[in-house]
This record gives sequence, C-alpha cells and structure tokens, in this order.
Amino acid sequence: NAGVTQTPKFQVLKTGQSMTLQCAQDMNHNSMYWYRQDPGMGLRLIYYSASEGTTDKGEVPNGYNVSRLNKREFSLRLESAAPSQTSVYFCASSEATGVVYEQYFGPGTRLTVT
Amino acid sequence: AQSVTQLGSHVSVSEGALVLLRCNYSSSVPPYLFWYVQYPNQGLQLLLKYTSAATLVKGINGFEAEFKKSETSFHLTKPSAHMSDAAEYFCAVSRGSYIPTFGRGTSLIVHP
Repeated sequence: NAGVTQTPKFQVLKTGQSMTLQCAQDMNHNSMYWYRQDPGMGLRLIYYSASEGTTDKGEVPNGYNVSRLNKREFSLRLESAAPSQTSVYFCASSEATGVVYEQYFGPGTRLTVT
Repeated sequence: AQSVTQLGSHVSVSEGALVLLRCNYSSSVPPYLFWYVQYPNQGLQLLLKYTSAATLVKGINGFEAEFKKSETSFHLTKPSAHMSDAAEYFCAVSRGSYIPTFGRGTSLIVHP
C-alpha cells in the first residue's frame, strides 16, 4: 500500500507558466483534498472532492483548478503561475463524506515560482 | 464557524522533559478534534483523535491529549520528550462537516 502519492516532489516555474500537480491514493477513499502550506499559516484548503465526479472550492481557490479524474486520482492545475503560489502543496484523502475519519496525507510538492 | 488556536508557534524543551502543546477550539456543536505531526520534509500523519468517546485520548509515540469542554481545549502532552519528537504539530477541529480546520502549527524543538 503506497497510501497517497504526489508528483512531482519539487518544481520550479517561471511566472506565467502552467503545470499540473498529480495525486493518487490506493486506499479506495471517497474524499480527496488539496492544501497549501505556508510558514506560520498552517494548512489552507484549496479545493476538495467529496466523491468521484464532484469538486468544490475551499478557502483559497483563486488561481487553481482541479480535476477528479477517477476515484483514485485528483489533480491540481496552475494555469498561470504567480510568485504568490510559491508554497508546499499537500494532497490528502479520507474515507467518507459526512463521517469523521482522519485524513491521510501525501509527502508534498515543493513549488517555487520565480 | 469552527476555528483552532495553537498557543505558541515554537515550543522548546530539553530531552526527558514534559511536552505540552496547547490547542483551543471554537465550535458551536460538539467537535471532533485531531492532532497531526509533520516531520521535516514529510506530509502530516495522525497522532490521535477525539470523537466524543473517552475524554483522555492516547495516541502514537507516547502522546496523549485531554478534551476539556469547559475550557474548550485539547492540549497535547508527552511525559518525556525524545529527540525524535522534534517536528511540527497541528491541531484540527471538525464539527460534522468532514473537512477539518487546522491550526497554524507549533514547532517542537528538543534540546539534548
């Protein structure tokens, strides 16, 4: 069981470039999430997907789009990267909607936008 | 709305000393509460969770937390710190919505 995997681990982009962060989970979880982590700010939710075929905005969705490709995969796209999007991005999954289960996190993608 | 406040962005202890990391929450309904740990360059992993059963919750690596409704607190403790406990710790609250709100984190520094 790999749990939650993320690719790439590191990425440097120039302002205006686009990229997609990939996330996959092998735990058959319904719900998946994208967070960003910035120093002193904790984790802030970007987008989430309660189940396959649905996505919703979180606290800081501007500048991002997501795709829930299937039950396993949830990708995050930056269409036109900005320096303010320099951050560490975490993908997470949890077991079910409307029921409290802990989240399982991937190892993160460290993104720098110059 | 729910919120979490972690008092102290950094806590420094000596190896073998008591660890106390503070978390206070705000929630209009009985909450579910979590502590996560993040080791350097890794993702978060669950330490323990409170889901309205016993108020004293035991987690991994010798950590425990006590839910105190009257104080709206869920502080994390460990009797004796180890060098390997050095990490970032996050408190989170959920109240029926499955999406938790995270605190800003507390960095635990352990001195030899």
